[in-house]
Amino acid sequence: DAKTTQPTSMDCAEGRAANLPCNHSTISGNEYVYWYRQIHSQGPQYIIHGLKNNETNEMASLIITEDRKSSTLILPHATLRDTAVYYCIVRVFSGYALNFGKGTSLLVTP
Amino acid sequence: DTGVSQDPRHKITKRGQNVTFRCDPISEHNRLYWYRQTLGQGPEFLTYFQNEAQLEKSRLLSDRFSAERPKGSFSTLEIQRTEQGDSAMYLCASRLAGVKAGELFFGEGSRLTVL
Repeated sequence: DAKTTQPTSMDCAEGRAANLPCNHSTISGNEYVYWYRQIHSQGPQYIIHGLKNNETNEMASLIITEDRKSSTLILPHATLRDTAVYYCIVRVFSGYALNFGKGTSLLVTP
Repeated sequence: DTGVSQDPRHKITKRGQNVTFRCDPISEHNRLYWYRQTLGQGPEFLTYFQNEAQLEKSRLLSDRFSAERPKGSFSTLEIQRTEQGDSAMYLCASRLAGVKAGELFFGEGSRLTVL
């Protein structure tokens, strides 16, 4: 699985969009980009995944660059409850395991 | 609650003792995963089952660790002769094969403290 690079931490004001970047320059053609988050003392929670097209669901949007070497997770209107560690993971669709890195610790402030 | 449940949520034990954790996945999910998470790190894959078959084990899963899923439903993770380095959160996850393959459903975890 391709490695990913994320900033260690980020801040965002409540109500503003939170844009979380992820670099995955060694991604291969059959690898998907997944995002999970982990709120303190809870298990990780799936957010979204995509291959090359941008994706949107009720939680977030995923923007993948045309060369697929990086992506951005967008939380359009961050709330205090979005404070969590966000993990960007690259994996083939049929892979058996997700390899979490250290993720980005997002702090949403009032 | 129909999510993944884990028991116990917290376990404190003395070094050298054996401990066992149980995971009950979402009922129709045929794939079950165990992860370990230490402080400040992301979850690390330990092992995974499809139905009752254990199909993959990480090198992190030493000989002191054993996982079972005898009837393809709940799973247990046993750690024998615990060491202080085993102190961690043990997370269980499940999913239905072939459906939104990236979406693992995690439990709340079992936190182990080895004194």
